[in-house]
Amino acid sequence: EDQVTQSPEALRLQEGESSSLNCSYTVSGLRGLFWYRQDPGKGPEFLFTLYSAGEEKEKERLKATLTKKESFLHITAPKPEDSATYLCAIVSPSGSRLTFGEGTQLTVNP
Amino acid sequence: DAGVTQSPTHLIKTRGQQVTLRCSPKSGHDTVSWYQQALGQGPQFIFQYYEEEERQRGNFPDRFSGHQFPNYSSELNVNALLLGDSALYLCASSFRGEYEQYFGPGTRLTVT
Repeated sequence: EDQVTQSPEALRLQEGESSSLNCSYTVSGLRGLFWYRQDPGKGPEFLFTLYSAGEEKEKERLKATLTKKESFLHITAPKPEDSATYLCAIVSPSGSRLTFGEGTQLTVNP
Repeated sequence: DAGVTQSPTHLIKTRGQQVTLRCSPKSGHDTVSWYQQALGQGPQFIFQYYEEEERQRGNFPDRFSGHQFPNYSSELNVNALLLGDSALYLCASSFRGEYEQYFGPGTRLTVT
């Protein structure tokens, strides 16, 4: 069965304090790994897709990396507006359903 | 470019009632997936529609049913509502053969 585990559950940073979020996964044949950002009461906003180990994607202060067992979302010099829940998901090899982790709630204090 | 839209935004129902939620996919997309997100948890896959047929289904009872129309929009129906059905219901759209799914703002359902 596909599984996604995210850590930590919650993370508090000071503005400018860089850190990383972790997403470990179990799947027989990864078709794709996705990162989303979700603000309270809103739908997830697509950030990145990673398809193979060694792949990296960047967008502003965010950088996503992928290995054969996990993905990291690196946040460089975060700002308060980066505060949100970050969700990781994998796509099932048997179809296109997404299996999500529980998310990491990030708070960046000014 | 219109994104995924959902209606209504919020809904309050009584236990035992039935509810219908609606979704219009992003322009150019033909596949719609529905997810349930309980507070503090990640979204859980309910089912996916493509070419007006249910293609995949998650671990949800038959009380959850859906439909896709020729214009690719979709409905999620839930019968005999339970208190545990209270959640944010998310619709996501994609283009067939592609894995990237784009989500709508969600419908917040409260069952009392």
